Amino acid sequence: SAVISQKPSRDICQRGTSLTIQCQVDSQVTMMFWYRQQPGQSLTLIATANQGSEATYESGFVIDKFPISRPNLTFSTLTVSNMSPEDSSIYLCSGGGGETQYFGPGTRLLVL
Amino acid sequence: DQQVKQNSPSLSVQEGRISILNCDYTNSMFDYFLWYKKYPAEGPTFLISISSIKDKNEDGRFTVFLNKSAKHLSLHIVPSQPGDSAVYFCAASAWGGGTSYGKLTFGQGTILTVHP
Repeated sequence: SAVISQKPSRDICQRGTSLTIQCQVDSQVTMMFWYRQQPGQSLTLIATANQGSEATYESGFVIDKFPISRPNLTFSTLTVSNMSPEDSSIYLCSGGGGETQYFGPGTRLLVL
Repeated sequence: DQQVKQNSPSLSVQEGRISILNCDYTNSMFDYFLWYKKYPAEGPTFLISISSIKDKNEDGRFTVFLNKSAKHLSLHIVPSQPGDSAVYFCAASAWGGGTSYGKLTFGQGTILTVHP
């Protein structure tokens, strides 16, 4: 298994600003992903964080809005850019070396 | 297009009885299925998984059944405990390669309440 931590755990931001969320895994993992859970909704995949190369985004998500970095096999960041109230959500990172993914505690973002 | 569906938004059971949570999927490329439990203000916690080459997997009080022909899986919790009260998510992935490698598609979740 993998233990995943995220920072910050929560934040309140003004519209038009950006927030960078950090994800740290306690061991090297092959894959890392970023998900979003909007209020009352399920988890939706934003992108696959690829080590040493550009992230792979799902339909409806773009790099300009959600730039992602993954400099090594244990760390990734997600930036939510030019925020609007619609970005208020829980952002979760996950990682795993095989079929099972483990999740961080999430970052609760409120955009005013 | 909802590829993974949990049609029951909530389930209420008595402590000590069996809880059965259901999940249906439509994408025949899915070959690995997982159940996660989520408490409020926490991330999803992995519970149990099953590969499409099996029809049952057991871990303590948790058993997952897979019916590939019906594209249906279920999670059985026996006996149910009040601490099991949480949101349960079914998730599926396609490990056959290609661009879907490892990505999880989640159902909407089922809120389980276990009464003492």
